[in-house]
Amino acid sequence: NAGVMQNPRHLVRRRGQEARLRCSPMKGHSHVYWYRQLPEEGLKFMVYLQKENIIDESGMPKERFSAEFPKEGPSILRIQQVVRGDSAAYFCASSLSLAGVKNEQFFGPGTRLTVL
Amino acid sequence: DAKTTQPPSMDCAEGRAANLPCNHSTISGNEYVYWYRQIHSQGPQYIIHGLKNNETNEMASLIITEDRKSSTLILPHATLRDTAVYYCIVRVADGGSEKLVFGKGTKLTVNP
Repeated sequence: NAGVMQNPRHLVRRRGQEARLRCSPMKGHSHVYWYRQLPEEGLKFMVYLQKENIIDESGMPKERFSAEFPKEGPSILRIQQVVRGDSAAYFCASSLSLAGVKNEQFFGPGTRLTVL
Repeated sequence: DAKTTQPPSMDCAEGRAANLPCNHSTISGNEYVYWYRQIHSQGPQYIIHGLKNNETNEMASLIITEDRKSSTLILPHATLRDTAVYYCIVRVADGGSEKLVFGKGTKLTVNP
């Protein structure tokens, strides 16, 4: 059973360009989470999605950032008009959907975004 | 903000037990204690979680005090590959947010 997959693993963008980060959850998982880790800091929650729905986006910056998890295909984290401060590691995690049970999250290897 | 406090760093000799403490004095009755670790910028790895009873799996043991205000993660025979940042997280069992709130963690260095 393949783990959580993220691509690309490394992404370089110039200021003002768009960045698209992809996450394929583990097989059978319908919950996806995105976290950001700035250099030398801990992970910060960004957004929690279920298929076609955003459940919690309390950690998402108000502008330039968006996320989706379509019925078919991977979850996408999109950053428009990137700035140097967006340089970070972006981790995706997935979990099972079992009513009434808080399931552990399994993390992908991350995408390292560098903005020049 | 994270509801846990951990020492910023610890050292352990290879082959010895590593005991990582965590304080969570404001934990609620419906909150679990979770442990994750992050090895050198890889994605965090789930280790173990518990509510009030001690737990053990193939990776580690979790000891939770009777008042649940603190816990200890035990790696019984630490190896060099256990060098990582260890995060202690409290999380509601039912309802509430699904998100994990990471603090700064403890950087464990296992020395040969």
